[in-house]
Amino acid sequence: GAGVSQSPSNKVTEKGKDVELRCDPISGHTALYWYRQSLGQGLEFLIYFQGNSAPDKSGLPSDRFSAERTGGSVSTLTIQRTQQEDSAVYLCASSQRGGRFTEAFFGQGTRLTVV
Amino acid sequence: EDKVVQSPLSLVVHEGDTVTLNCSYEVTNFRSLLWYKQEKKAPTFLFMLTSSGIEKKSGRLSSILDKKELSSILNITATQTGDSAIYLCAVDSGGGADGLTFGKGTHLIIQP
Repeated sequence: GAGVSQSPSNKVTEKGKDVELRCDPISGHTALYWYRQSLGQGLEFLIYFQGNSAPDKSGLPSDRFSAERTGGSVSTLTIQRTQQEDSAVYLCASSQRGGRFTEAFFGQGTRLTVV
Repeated sequence: EDKVVQSPLSLVVHEGDTVTLNCSYEVTNFRSLLWYKQEKKAPTFLFMLTSSGIEKKSGRLSSILDKKELSSILNITATQTGDSAIYLCAVDSGGGADGLTFGKGTHLIIQP
């Protein structure tokens, strides 16, 4: 697509429920990143995909968080048994790897509210 | 652990003023420094800096990197209310995360 697309744009869920967030990167971008931004904070790295593999999952805050990417394109971030501290804006970005230039383009994000 | 620190965390100025935002970093393997403007949810790309001392300019915005001081500044001249946003600095270190390490951002408010 023309830009990075994320869905849903907003999600309100009850504590303890599972949620799935979707990211559709720019066509041809091999690198995909998930970030989380809590209120008043900078961007917190969660996970990075190069193609379908995730060489770095170090940012995932707990084992309730998982992510996958299929076909080198769409990625889903799943949060199981959501907690109130999971409330944040979840941003996805994609970039073209190769060479030194790694300008990342962001989606509009998903605002997750756990009540 | 890679670190990016921005200052000030927030800044309120009047329309027409010039502002300078700071970003300093400590990373194991510097590749580039990027500035983003964030209004509402999605950050939008402003500049990518890889070489020290070369100013990048776009309209009223400009930025420069100082690799010796491990820092960068973002200047905005003749500020307008539409410049109000969070300005994020990120460093690509190509390290373990192989992604971007972001600072907390500077929340800039331009008053009419």
